[in-house]
Amino acid sequence: QKEVEQDPGPLSVPEGAIVSLNCTYSNSAFQYFMWYRQYSRKGPELLMYTYSSGNKEDGRFTAQVDKSSKYISLFIRDSQPSDSATYLCAMILSGGYNKLIFGAGTRLAVHP
Amino acid sequence: GAVVSQHPSWVICKSGTSVKIECRSLDFQATTMFWYRQFPKQSLMLMATSNEGSKATYEQGVEKDKFLINHASLTLSTLTVTSAHPEDSSFYICSAPGLAGRTYEQYFGPGTRLTVT
Repeated sequence: QKEVEQDPGPLSVPEGAIVSLNCTYSNSAFQYFMWYRQYSRKGPELLMYTYSSGNKEDGRFTAQVDKSSKYISLFIRDSQPSDSATYLCAMILSGGYNKLIFGAGTRLAVHP
Repeated sequence: GAVVSQHPSWVICKSGTSVKIECRSLDFQATTMFWYRQFPKQSLMLMATSNEGSKATYEQGVEKDKFLINHASLTLSTLTVTSAHPEDSSFYICSAPGLAGRTYEQYFGPGTRLTVT
């Protein structure tokens, strides 16, 4: 069993749709939860990070963490074609120099 | 925000030769950097943790003699793929934490695409 599970998709939605991306994890010691966006042939860029259970909002993006269920989500409202990318969830054990554990990444296509 | 650069962005080499990839933190110091490999349509796989002034820590299954890492300064880490073979063709990405103790805020380079013929 992988430490972090993420459906690779692909996920295709029409412009303006609400997108829901999800990851589950098995290690209850994970403390930080991140979402990265990666465009084709580019390095990942950090979208959001959360620490505690609950919701965190940033513009059209909302990150949700449910530690009791070991489940995290990223919601994208009013999706745009420019949101088409691969979205990777990542987790880390602590705030020190520890490695990120990535999910497989979900490929999202938003069509006009 | 913190910027990480990589050079070259794309390299083609012949089987059996060695290739060096550079990773630089442009506006901050990085005592630790991470090297990842990504195959098409797959996620990032951590290869090794590069530590300034000391030996790198390699993940299980990564050949340390094949993937040489040197972190000679606070802004530069290099990955050398020695005796490259076609199966080493991949997208290599480095990252660095922006601030001490905040590894969750890692900044990634743009990646280097290696093609071994």
